[in-house]
Amino acid sequence: AQSVAQPEDQVNVAEGNPLTVKCTYSVSGNPYLFWYVQYPNRGLQFLLKYITGDNLVKGSYGFEAEFNKSQTSFHLKKPSALVSDSALYFCAVRDRGSTLGRLYFGRGTQLTVWP
Amino acid sequence: EAGVAQSPRYKIIEKRQSVAFWCNPISGHATLYWYQQILGQGPKLLIQFQNNGVVDDSQLPKDRFSAERLKGVDSTLKIQPAKLEDSAVYLCASRVPGQGMDEQYFGPGTRLTVT
Repeated sequence: AQSVAQPEDQVNVAEGNPLTVKCTYSVSGNPYLFWYVQYPNRGLQFLLKYITGDNLVKGSYGFEAEFNKSQTSFHLKKPSALVSDSALYFCAVRDRGSTLGRLYFGRGTQLTVWP
Repeated sequence: EAGVAQSPRYKIIEKRQSVAFWCNPISGHATLYWYQQILGQGPKLLIQFQNNGVVDDSQLPKDRFSAERLKGVDSTLKIQPAKLEDSAVYLCASRVPGQGMDEQYFGPGTRLTVT
């Protein structure tokens, strides 16, 4: 069965500091991995994805994520946080061998960046 | 390009009433999804369409939920009768035809409150 775990409900960092939002996954085959961000009263916005190739994926707004197959993790990172990065972040996984293509989402991590 | 459109944005109904949500995906996106996002949880797929055909409705509570995409473009999700536990944000998403690695684009959602 496919599943995603985001072990932290909240992450708090100071502006200018590096941030990490953790994600681990479980799929029966090889994964497609995604990060989405959700601002209040808005839908999810795509940040980045891992399909294949380089384990370090760069995305929108200076975010990046590192795929670690042995640890089944796909942590989201940013070298220097901004107050405007404060939002709800979702990790999602899809089994690339699945014909249905369903995405499985984690429960989300609330990121707060204080000035 | 225009994003995924949803209406209404907010809806309050009493239990046992009926409600319908509308979604217009991005032009050319053959795949359309409806998700349910309960407060504090990640989005959960309810139903997936490919053009006007249902691909996956295994998580749709069919005794009360129904959805259609008659002309392969816009879609309607209906709940009849509503229960208190249906209170959630209903998200519509669409994706270009592809091999599954393409990201989904989400609308702003409809926030349903059942009293």
